[in-house]
Amino acid sequence: QSALTQPASVSGSPGQSITISCTGTSSDIGTYNFVSWYQQHPGNAPKLMIFEVSHRPSGVSDRFSGSKSGNTASLTISGLQAEDEAHYYCSSYTNVNTRVFGGGTKLTVL
Amino acid sequence: EVQLVESGGGLVQPGGSLRLSCGVSGFTFSKYWMHWVRQAPGKGLMWVSDIHNDGKITSYAESVRGRFTISRDNGKEMLYLQMNSLRAEDTAVYYCVRDLGANVFDIWGQGTMVTVSS
Repeated sequence: QSALTQPASVSGSPGQSITISCTGTSSDIGTYNFVSWYQQHPGNAPKLMIFEVSHRPSGVSDRFSGSKSGNTASLTISGLQAEDEAHYYCSSYTNVNTRVFGGGTKLTVL
Repeated sequence: EVQLVESGGGLVQPGGSLRLSCGVSGFTFSKYWMHWVRQAPGKGLMWVSDIHNDGKITSYAESVRGRFTISRDNGKEMLYLQMNSLRAEDTAVYYCVRDLGANVFDIWGQGTMVTVSS
C-alpha cells in the first residue's frame, strides 16, 4: 500500500487561507469516507483535527475544514494563525483492511 | 484522564527482538480497536498494525507482516507489539493509538523510541 500523496510544504500569511491536498486511489480515498487529518507540532504526538472527511472533533477550531472529491481529500485552514505552523498528515482506510498515511505537509506561517 | 503510555523501546541489534507495551487508563479498553503507528526520525507517520477490540482480528503493514505480532490483554488493559527480525529501517518512535472506529485516531501515546543498530 503506497503512501497517500501530499505536498511537502505549503505556506501562508496570518489571516490567509491555505489548502493541503491528499491524493490516493480508488482503493482508499476514492471508495471510503474514512479520511482523517492530524496536526503534529515538533516533539509532540499527532492530534486529530478532522475525521470522516469533514467532521471536527470537539475542541478543534472551526477554522479547520475538510472535503473530498474523487481520490483526493483536502484540508483547509482559514484565518491562519502562528500556532497553526506544524506538520499535517492525512490518513485513509484501505480496501485491504489496512490504514495508510500521507507523507506529510509542513505548513509555514510567514 | 484518558491516557496511553508506551514502554519497552530501546537499542537492539539487527535481527534482534523487542516487545513494546502500551498501558491505558481513563477508558474501557475492551471497547476499542487499537493501533501501532511509527515515525522514523525526521520522517512521516507510518501505520504498522491494528487489532480488533476482542483481539481476534489483526492487520499489518506489508513491511512488517510476518515479523511483528500485535496482541492485547483486555483484562490487564494492555496492548503489545512483538517485533522480531528487526531491521535498521524499523528505527522509529512507536505510538500506541486508540481508534474510535472509521479510521479515527483520537488518542495517542507519547511514543517509545526503538533504535535498530549494531
